Amino acid sequence: RKEVEQDPGPFNVPEGATVAFNCTYSNSASQSFFWYRQDCRKEPKLLMSVYSSGNEDGRFTAQLNRASQYISLLIRDSKLSDSATYLCVVRTGFQKLVFGTGTRLLVSP
Amino acid sequence: GAGVSQSPSNKVTEKGKDVELRCDPISGHTALYWYRQSLGQGLEFLIYFQGNSAPDKSGLPSDRFSAERTGGSVSTLTIQRTQQEDSAVYLCASSFTSRDNEQFFGPGTRLTVL
Repeated sequence: RKEVEQDPGPFNVPEGATVAFNCTYSNSASQSFFWYRQDCRKEPKLLMSVYSSGNEDGRFTAQLNRASQYISLLIRDSKLSDSATYLCVVRTGFQKLVFGTGTRLLVSP
Repeated sequence: GAGVSQSPSNKVTEKGKDVELRCDPISGHTALYWYRQSLGQGLEFLIYFQGNSAPDKSGLPSDRFSAERTGGSVSTLTIQRTQQEDSAVYLCASSFTSRDNEQFFGPGTRLTVL
């Protein structure tokens, strides 16, 4: 079983739609959680950290459920520019980041 | 300011040859990381440096892989006797300290082993 699992998608949504991605992690000792965004043939970039209380950044909302070892990302009012692969990332141990394989989002006009 | 830079951006080599990949982290960042991303796969952790030392080499897939960092700055990842399964994008990242949550990635080196 992979340490971080995501639905690879793709998720095809129209502009303006709300879309949600889920991620599960297997190591209960994981300490920090993130969503990174990766555009095609580009490097990953931090989108947002994920906190137990849930956090929001504009159209993006992240949630963490430690009991279920589950992380989510909600994107409201999708834009064409949101098309990318969204990577669920978990930090376990001192510094090592463990990446999911990513969920691909395609937003169409 | 300047971000993480990597060179070369693309490398094509023949099976059995050695290759060196270079990473220049953001100035002042003490922590440096190497990952690789194979086609359709997630990022795979290879090695982490704090300063010039490597507290975690757990991700290096075989003894053909080695990395060093000198002067607390530039790092080189060396792959000896390359194999076709080594073909991947090798990504370097840095962070200000080893406790920082955000790692800044370079553009990667796309390695193709023929």
